[in-house]
Amino acid sequence: DAGITQSPRHKVTETGTPVTLRCHQTENHRYMYWYRQDPGHGLRLIHYSYGVKDTDKGEVSDGYSVSRSKTEDFLLTLESATSSQTSVYFCAISENLAGGNTGELFFGEGSRLTVL
Amino acid sequence: DQQVKQNSPSLSVQEGRISILNCDYTNSMFDYFLWYKKYPAEGPTFLISISSIKDKNEDGRFTVFLNKSAKHLSLHIVPSQPGDSAVYFCAASATGSARQLTFGSGTQLTVLP
Repeated sequence: DAGITQSPRHKVTETGTPVTLRCHQTENHRYMYWYRQDPGHGLRLIHYSYGVKDTDKGEVSDGYSVSRSKTEDFLLTLESATSSQTSVYFCAISENLAGGNTGELFFGEGSRLTVL
Repeated sequence: DQQVKQNSPSLSVQEGRISILNCDYTNSMFDYFLWYKKYPAEGPTFLISISSIKDKNEDGRFTVFLNKSAKHLSLHIVPSQPGDSAVYFCAASATGSARQLTFGSGTQLTVLP
């Protein structure tokens, strides 16, 4: 199994409070991603990183920011949490493959966030 | 507008029979397709993939078929086992997309003993 650790695994917070989720990898993979999973929507990409300090937006980035100061850590921050951000958040990593094969993602176990 | 669609939210099959999970996509730039399996309270795990240069890829009990003209792929599981009960996500990506995957909404497979 890929070495991916997400923390916290569960969090309950109130509307308007800031929240930071952490993803830590021990695989030295270049690419890191944050997805959210919601019923009827599958997994949707929030932000991703293609290297230290190199990040970009995904499909549902509004209300979220990310930072990657080290290869192994990718942080997802909700500056002011809203009830619509109640979800299960998954971090994923991918190695840098040569050629056109886009390869597979390895996922963490998820962080369940409830915003009251 | 969902670019990857799994129109069946759930599927039940008898143990030993074939399970067929379907997926449709709209983006003609997609050239790599994957299936992920997810158990409750766990992260998705990679199951099988196929490149657009192929129309079939097989790995043990799992076979993925790709019909590019119809923009359709399917996952066949033969024979189905109770341990296969999980949510299956179809995903797609395009070359040069920083390995971003676009996922379908998932199909809950239940294999009945």
